[in-house]
Amino acid sequence: DTAVSQTPKYLVTQMGNDKSIKCEQNLGHDTMYWYKQDSKKFLKIMFSYNNKELIINETVPNRFSPKSPDKAHLNLHINSLELGDSAVYFCASSQEHNTLKAQYFGPGTRLLVL
Amino acid sequence: AQSVSQHNHHVILSEAASLELGCNYSYGGTVNLFWYVQYPGQHLQLLLKYFSGDPLVKGIKGFEAEFIKSKFSFNLRKPSVQWSDTAEYFCAVNADNAGNMLTFGGGTRLMVKP
Repeated sequence: DTAVSQTPKYLVTQMGNDKSIKCEQNLGHDTMYWYKQDSKKFLKIMFSYNNKELIINETVPNRFSPKSPDKAHLNLHINSLELGDSAVYFCASSQEHNTLKAQYFGPGTRLLVL
Repeated sequence: AQSVSQHNHHVILSEAASLELGCNYSYGGTVNLFWYVQYPGQHLQLLLKYFSGDPLVKGIKGFEAEFIKSKFSFNLRKPSVQWSDTAEYFCAVNADNAGNMLTFGGGTRLMVKP
């Protein structure tokens, strides 16, 4: 009964390829997020979606496009992958209208671009 | 924009030693505060959170944190660490003007020697 799940867990690909990472949460949360954790373990928010609508879009290249088919899913599509995209990508979710705004994280997707 | 600083990047302790990890943030308004832990090879897990009320917050696994508003700090403590506490610890802040957006500190890598 995983709360926030991501696939794949590992992704190794060549520069220039297009890839997608999927995220699903079964917590009934309204808001989902994508974070990037670089090699120095620094976590940075990329996107936030609330009820399938984009709320936050930090300074992220246009090659990154989130897609939310429904409020339980937030997928991340990356075009023309670059070496610098290598990182661990974490999906998270939280209850927007709940005062307890804790975010629950998925297991991460380790992306390596060769 | 708010920022979060964790001044200790690496901490090495022996088992049974006491732990205090520093976290300072830069925002003058109302904040929600979190500590997350990332065990080796695993995803981020919520350790504890502060929203309001008693500034001394108890979390899981014997951890606690104290919110000192005048010092803009939310330090994490544990009286006696165990080898299993070896992990990366992240402080995070949600400002009242930032929706659900979390700003993370750079993390502190804790190694507990058996």
